[in-house]
Amino acid sequence: QKEVEQDPGPLSVPEGAIVSLNCTYSNSAFQYFMWYRQYSRKGPELLMYTYSSGNKEDGRFTAQVDKSSKYISLFIRDSQPSDSATYLCAMSSNTGNQFYFGTGTSLTVIP
Amino acid sequence: DTAVSQTPKYLVTQMGNDKSIKCEQNLGHDTMYWYKQDSKKFLKIMFSYNNKELIINETVPNRFSPKSPDKAHLNLHINSLELGDSAVYFCASSPHQVFSTQYFGPGTRLLVL
Repeated sequence: QKEVEQDPGPLSVPEGAIVSLNCTYSNSAFQYFMWYRQYSRKGPELLMYTYSSGNKEDGRFTAQVDKSSKYISLFIRDSQPSDSATYLCAMSSNTGNQFYFGTGTSLTVIP
Repeated sequence: DTAVSQTPKYLVTQMGNDKSIKCEQNLGHDTMYWYKQDSKKFLKIMFSYNNKELIINETVPNRFSPKSPDKAHLNLHINSLELGDSAVYFCASSPHQVFSTQYFGPGTRLLVL
């Protein structure tokens, strides 16, 4: 079983839709939860990170962590064509000695 | 200004050759990383250096050897290249081993023929 599971998609939505991206994990040691965006032929770019459980909002993006279910989500409101990219979740233990990326979900927002 | 830079951007080489990829960061970070991203986009950490000291060394063939001349540079040397080494290699950096704030370079696309 992989440490982090993420549906690879592809996911295609119309402009303006609300997008929900999710990851599940099995390791209780994970305390930091990150979301990265990767455009084609570019390096991953950190979008948001959350420590432990709870929600975090930044503009159109909201990250949620449910440690009891070992489930994290990224919501994108009012999606734009410029949001079209691969979204990778990542998780880390407190000490950083365990760190894993999900396989990424490919998102296309259609104008 | 580029925060994390890598050279070369593209590398095409023959099996059996030895090659190096260079990485530099101007963010003043203490920790640098090398990742490999395969054709299915799976991103896997290979090495991590903190203040020039190796702190993570995942299960990679010993043909891969990182070298950190100073905390702003982390180079990756690969000996006896194999077809399966073809991938995109990303360098990243973060402050104080804090994985939550990593900044990635643009990647080096390696193709072994």
